[in-house]
Amino acid sequence: EAGVAQSPRYKIIEKRQSVAFWCNPISGHATLYWYQQILGQGPKLLIQFQNNGVVDDSQLPKDRFSAERLKGVDSTLKIQPAKLEDSAVYLCASNSLGSRLGDYGYTFGSGTRLTVV
Amino acid sequence: KNQVEQSPQSLIILEGKNCTLQCNYTVSPFSNLRWYKQDTGRGPVSLTIMTFSENTKSNGRYTATLDADTKQSSLHITASQLSDSASYICVVSPYNFNKFYFGSGTKLNVKP
Repeated sequence: EAGVAQSPRYKIIEKRQSVAFWCNPISGHATLYWYQQILGQGPKLLIQFQNNGVVDDSQLPKDRFSAERLKGVDSTLKIQPAKLEDSAVYLCASNSLGSRLGDYGYTFGSGTRLTVV
Repeated sequence: KNQVEQSPQSLIILEGKNCTLQCNYTVSPFSNLRWYKQDTGRGPVSLTIMTFSENTKSNGRYTATLDADTKQSSLHITASQLSDSASYICVVSPYNFNKFYFGSGTKLNVKP
């Protein structure tokens, strides 16, 4: 089974520039999450999609961050304009509702490491 | 408030030694608890998943325990190897299992 695919793996940009990340979840997974993980901390949820609808975006800095999942499959996360404090690893995860007990499908991608200089 | 606390924050051990990492949580109602290993610059990889009725689950040299009454879990690593150097993250999910609460992780460094 293919895992959660993310690209790019690394990105270096200057502050005030724009950047976009892409995520392709595991086939059939209805739920998709974007997390921001700052060095030395646990992942922080930015946005959660159920199919193409937003379930939770309470911690998404909406003045500069946006995300979409138009067809309920892959998703993009955009930052515009970037700030120095946006330097982090951006993780995508997906999950399948109705997984049989003990076999939850929640899986992470390898992440995109963003450095803002 | 749903929270997950891990200790210690960091740990250094010699290769071949055992170690135990702790996770305390207040997430309710509880559904499951997961331990993940995260190598630097990589996404977290699942080690174990435990539900309310499970007390112990092993994955090779990794053994997780769960006490749902005291809301505590531990991850025991036996005969550590250099490749065990990573961050270990505890993740707890309430009964609506599409929500996940993360600990800040324990950074383990195994030295030769």
